[in-house]
Amino acid sequence: NAGVTQTPKFQVLKTGQSMTLQCAQDMNHNSMYWYRQDPGMGLRLIYYSASEGTTDKGEVPNGYNVSRLNKREFSLRLESAAPSQTSVYFCASGRDRGPELFFGEGSRLTVL
Amino acid sequence: SQQGEEDPQALSIQEGENATMNCSYKTSINNLQWYRQNSGRGLVHLILIRSNEREKHSGRLRVTLDTSKKSSSLLITASRAADTASYFCATASGTYKYIFGTGTRLKVLA
Repeated sequence: NAGVTQTPKFQVLKTGQSMTLQCAQDMNHNSMYWYRQDPGMGLRLIYYSASEGTTDKGEVPNGYNVSRLNKREFSLRLESAAPSQTSVYFCASGRDRGPELFFGEGSRLTVL
Repeated sequence: SQQGEEDPQALSIQEGENATMNCSYKTSINNLQWYRQNSGRGLVHLILIRSNEREKHSGRLRVTLDTSKKSSSLLITASRAADTASYFCATASGTYKYIFGTGTRLKVLA
């Protein structure tokens, strides 16, 4: 049982490049989330998807787009990466009953 | 804006001692959760307390909630080196917008 799987685990980009972070969960959860974690800032919500076919903005959505491809997969796209987007990105999923979130291991992104 | 703020930011204790960390939040909540994050790993859910509960236990964990003060505390009793991690509180003002605090870094010395 893999839980929440994120790819890639590490990525280095140059300013202006684009990339997509992939996330998949095998727990049949409806809700999925993307957070970024920066030193001293805790985790900040970028986007979330309450169910397949819906997405909503979180605290810090600027510079990002998301796609809920199906119930299992929720991707995060950086169209034109900026150094301020250097961070660790976490995907999470949640059950319908109960607010507990299940996290992936993170994707470490550096933008030069 | 952060909903939760943990205190202290960092805590260093000896193995066997108790560790207490606090979380303050700003708005009304449905529930409050605590998560642990080992270095370089994802967050793992520890315990949840609902807004109508005042105290909850799970193994060596004890969580209290004071909605009048908008604060919660997490107590880890008889700490072990394996408890070394960062601990985060998370609150939900709505159904899906879970907001995390800045975390407490706990170091347990063997």
